[in-house]
Amino acid sequence: GQQLNQSPQSMFIQEGEDVSMNCTSSSIFNTWLWYKQDPGEGPVLLIALYKAGELTSNGRLTAQFGITRKDSFLNISASIPSDVGIYFCAGTPPLSGGGADGLTFGKGTHLIIQP
Amino acid sequence: SAVISQKPSRDICQRGTSLTIQCQVDSQVTMMFWYRQQPGQSLTLIATANQGSEATYESGFVIDKFPISRPNLTFSTLTVSNMSPEDSSIYLCSVEPSGASTQYFGPGTRLLVL
Repeated sequence: GQQLNQSPQSMFIQEGEDVSMNCTSSSIFNTWLWYKQDPGEGPVLLIALYKAGELTSNGRLTAQFGITRKDSFLNISASIPSDVGIYFCAGTPPLSGGGADGLTFGKGTHLIIQP
Repeated sequence: SAVISQKPSRDICQRGTSLTIQCQVDSQVTMMFWYRQQPGQSLTLIATANQGSEATYESGFVIDKFPISRPNLTFSTLTVSNMSPEDSSIYLCSVEPSGASTQYFGPGTRLLVL
């Protein structure tokens, strides 16, 4: 099946720094989604991208749907302690035969912030 | 968005037994999904829970091991059958509201099999 390559695997940064992570795929995706998962919780949707080239912001978060439809990045500006967690990219492949498809997830980026 | 609850939130089970996990959403949704997240890993789709028909399973997952029910548009269950320690994972349900190409996740069920 399709795979998403997410990097970096982990990040150790100082509070106030900007963060950047990305996902790439060998095949195209129709949708790119970014989630954050805190310990003991389910993933929470941060940003959803639906069109190639789309750039969307949500507060200090900015994400873009790559023009080739094979990649996406997420930036976090001016990181704060509550940004700690695991960030996952996820995507939906082109539909086949109608109906929705489940998500394919990247392996996650562990964000650790040093005060 | 949607508010999703799962029961139980966690359980410890003996090998060879079965556990049924419930997923309840606060609004009617067409699409519901079940995922597994093994310790320290990412999420993997188990199956799509179709209302009124059999679930659609992903490669590597079979109905005998993970039977799914979807009796209506707000509820689904996943059963983990004949459990072994390798089934220790977080099991999450998600929903895709109509007209929204996004999925929202429940809090997960943390299963430990001894």
